[in-house]
Amino acid sequence: EIVLTQSPGTLSLSPGERATLSCRASQNLSSSYLVWYQQKPGQAPRLLIYGASNRATGTPDRFSGSGSGTDFILTISRLEPEDFVVYYCQQCGGSPYTFGQGTRLEIK
Amino acid sequence: QVHLMQSGAEVKRPGASVKVSCKTSGYTFTDHYIHWVRQAPGQGLEWLGWINSNTGDTEYAQRFRGRVTMTRDTSVSTAYLHLSTLRSDDTAFYFCARDKDFSWDYWGQGSLVIVSS
Repeated sequence: EIVLTQSPGTLSLSPGERATLSCRASQNLSSSYLVWYQQKPGQAPRLLIYGASNRATGTPDRFSGSGSGTDFILTISRLEPEDFVVYYCQQCGGSPYTFGQGTRLEIK
Repeated sequence: QVHLMQSGAEVKRPGASVKVSCKTSGYTFTDHYIHWVRQAPGQGLEWLGWINSNTGDTEYAQRFRGRVTMTRDTSVSTAYLHLSTLRSDDTAFYFCARDKDFSWDYWGQGSLVIVSS
């Protein structure tokens, strides 16, 4: 099973700042299989980034993904108020399909 | 447009079973797998398994084998999750999600299952 570890658990920043969220895999992972979701309170997760770096339909261009091997990054270039929610990485390469524990972005 | 509509909240006694439905629309149901994921209140996401909407083949996460059954009815474009022998720690939101090329692009709104005596 591939374990995904996200850091930090909580990130405190101000609107307009840049956010860098990390996702580390316990073993090498094809970048094709690394996905990022955003989850707002009371809602289902929403696909943000697939294949480590491809923005899903409707994802604003301030969101970008990068990385390879075991280390992956989600960057939000200029935080908007609506970005202060929870982000999960996931590996979609095969079962079990595992998620990171999430990073909560909070307003400083 | 693509839409996954799940059934409503359920309250069950420990030891009982629950069946959650996920009715899809806006695409060809048999073209995409459906995954089921759960999220306990305030917690992270946990994968339960998938169903091949075309063939009905399934794969379940090891910890749920023996308790979970996923089925589908292609005539109504609906997938189902059945979870038996419920325990209090099964209390969670249960989500269905459509699989598209190594990502899950559309999700249901979630179905809350509460297990309480």
